[in-house]
Parts: sequence; C-alpha cells; structure tokens
Amino acid sequence: GESVGLHLPTLSVQEGDNSIINCAYSNSASDYFIWYKQESGKGPQFIIDIRSNMDKRQGQRVTVLLNKTVKHLSLQIAATQPGDSAVYFCAENIQGAQKLVFGQGTRLTINP
Amino acid sequence: DAGITQSPRHKVTETGTPVTLRCHQTENHRYMYWYRQDPGHGLRLIHYSYGVKDTDKGEVSDGYSVSRSKTEDFLLTLESATSSQTSVYFCAISVRVGGTEAFFGQGTRLTVV
Repeated sequence: GESVGLHLPTLSVQEGDNSIINCAYSNSASDYFIWYKQESGKGPQFIIDIRSNMDKRQGQRVTVLLNKTVKHLSLQIAATQPGDSAVYFCAENIQGAQKLVFGQGTRLTINP
Repeated sequence: DAGITQSPRHKVTETGTPVTLRCHQTENHRYMYWYRQDPGHGLRLIHYSYGVKDTDKGEVSDGYSVSRSKTEDFLLTLESATSSQTSVYFCAISVRVGGTEAFFGQGTRLTVV
C-alpha cells in the first residue's frame, strides 16, 4: 500500500491504553473541525467532527476536544486496539471557504 | 467508501505525457474535490467542483485541469506530466461545502518517470 507521510510525528501506545493525538490549527476563522483516520493503502476515513461553538464531543471510544483560545484540537482514543494503528489527520474548515485544510498527520502505532 | 470509485488505482507514465484520472460517485453529492498527498504535506487541494461545469482552483492547481460534465464524474488532467506530480491523488465528495465531512476514495498512485 501507499507509504505517505514517512516523516510524520509518531505516537506509540500499548494496546488497551488511552491515546491522545494533538493538532494545532492556524486560522481563528475556522468553524468546523474533523478528525480522519487513514490506514495504509486507503483513503482518509471520517472519525468525528466538532463545531467551533462546542469544546467537547464524544463518539464511540473517541473524544474530540477543542480549545479555541490556543487553537488546539485533540483526539482521545480510549482502550486502543490493534486496528487503531493508522495515520490520523485533523482538518479545519474556514468559515465561508470551499475546502477543508488538512494537517500533516500523526502516525499512531499500537503495540501488543 | 461512500460510493466513490477512482480509476486507475495505479499508473506509471513518462514525463511530458498527458494523464487523466477519473473519480466516479454514486451518491449524487454536489461537491467533488481532488487532493494530492505527499510526505510532509498532508493532503492539499488541487481543484474542486460545486456543480456540473462549475469548478474552481485549490491551493496547488498549477499544471492541473479538471472537468465535470455530469454530476457523477470529476476528471483530473495533467496536460504534460512532470516528476513533481508523482503523488497519491484522492478524490472526495461532500453534500455541501463547509461544516460537513468529505468522503474519500481509495486513491490513485501516480508515478511520473
């Protein structure tokens, strides 16, 4: 499969532990944020989103936190599993813009 | 993959040749996008479409053109491929612009030699 992002930030956690992936965004006009997961050889897959009028949103085993004061976004994955190993991207939508702007991504490795 | 098909999945071409990548969707979504993915750059928008025959440039549009003659198909053309266009290309669709997620295809790995 594809091997993009060879120079990505990496995070290794033990199976069953919680992981936190961080993302800094640049535009204070961004009003919508998404986390994507990309497995080797596949396209990015939607995980969870959050709007700028919220500071926390929970899904199944995942939580996204938004701190607009410092322009920081985080993805928390609870009780990590081997299938969580992937590259994770945050993306922001600038209000009124026609596109999502993606961060570089973080490679998460789950150790057995 | 949300009814998105990219073709071809892999292609090797020579510098200076024209190349067309196809994105086909069965979701009837209005918005379609072409991104490229390179190490150290994440995904960067090349062109997008907001309807049939309605397209606009993204942040890395030089050397690329697009066409959308019907809702379900969005074509990306490299008029004269260069080695700097070696990349993985992703098509994405969304039901509206902004404030909603985009669904991605499986990607096309293009190598220009």
